[in-house]
Amino acid sequence: KNQVEQSPQSLIILEGKNCTLQCNYTVSPFSNLRWYKQDTGRGPVSLTIMTFSENTKSNGRYTATLDADTKQSSLHITASQLSDSASYICVVSAMEYGNKLVFGAGTILRVKS
Amino acid sequence: GAVVSQHPSWVICKSGTSVKIECRSLDFQATTMFWYRQFPKQSLMLMATSNEGSKATYEQGVEKDKFLINHASLTLSTLTVTSAHPEDSSFYICSATFYEQYFGPGTRLTVT
Repeated sequence: KNQVEQSPQSLIILEGKNCTLQCNYTVSPFSNLRWYKQDTGRGPVSLTIMTFSENTKSNGRYTATLDADTKQSSLHITASQLSDSASYICVVSAMEYGNKLVFGAGTILRVKS
Repeated sequence: GAVVSQHPSWVICKSGTSVKIECRSLDFQATTMFWYRQFPKQSLMLMATSNEGSKATYEQGVEKDKFLINHASLTLSTLTVTSAHPEDSSFYICSATFYEQYFGPGTRLTVT
């Protein structure tokens, strides 16, 4: 069973709308939780990195939240743009495995005009 | 800063041949580089961890004789897919560590 589960698997929204992507994880203990954006045919690009003591972190129109008690994180995208169309991947750095990254399967977001 | 490049960005090779993929950290020295493989609509899967000047550590199920990794300098790691087969067709991504992991743009390998 994947230790990092993301939902929804895919999502279509209209340009200008907001959306929230979910991430549940079982990796414990962990060093940090990251959200990456991966455009088709490209490598992942970091959006946010949070340690277990952080509850929220923003990067422009992206805001990530973390609840270490329930082992849940979310990524909120505000005022979506066509260029936000990509796969969004939740990644947990696992202390047990020498801080190796454990990847979620990603949420594919498509923003329509 | 913290730019990682890969070359080539895509490659097509015939079954049975070998292909080399380069991963470079352009503006920093990386003691550790990672190689990942990603199949369509799937997550990145770690293949191996490469430390400069030492042998790579492969994940379970990854054939070290098939996927040869050389980390000759602090800015360059190479992955050679030997005797490639169509099932090796995938998107290969490297990352380099400098306090943080920075990912390369990936290499699309197609084996015909």
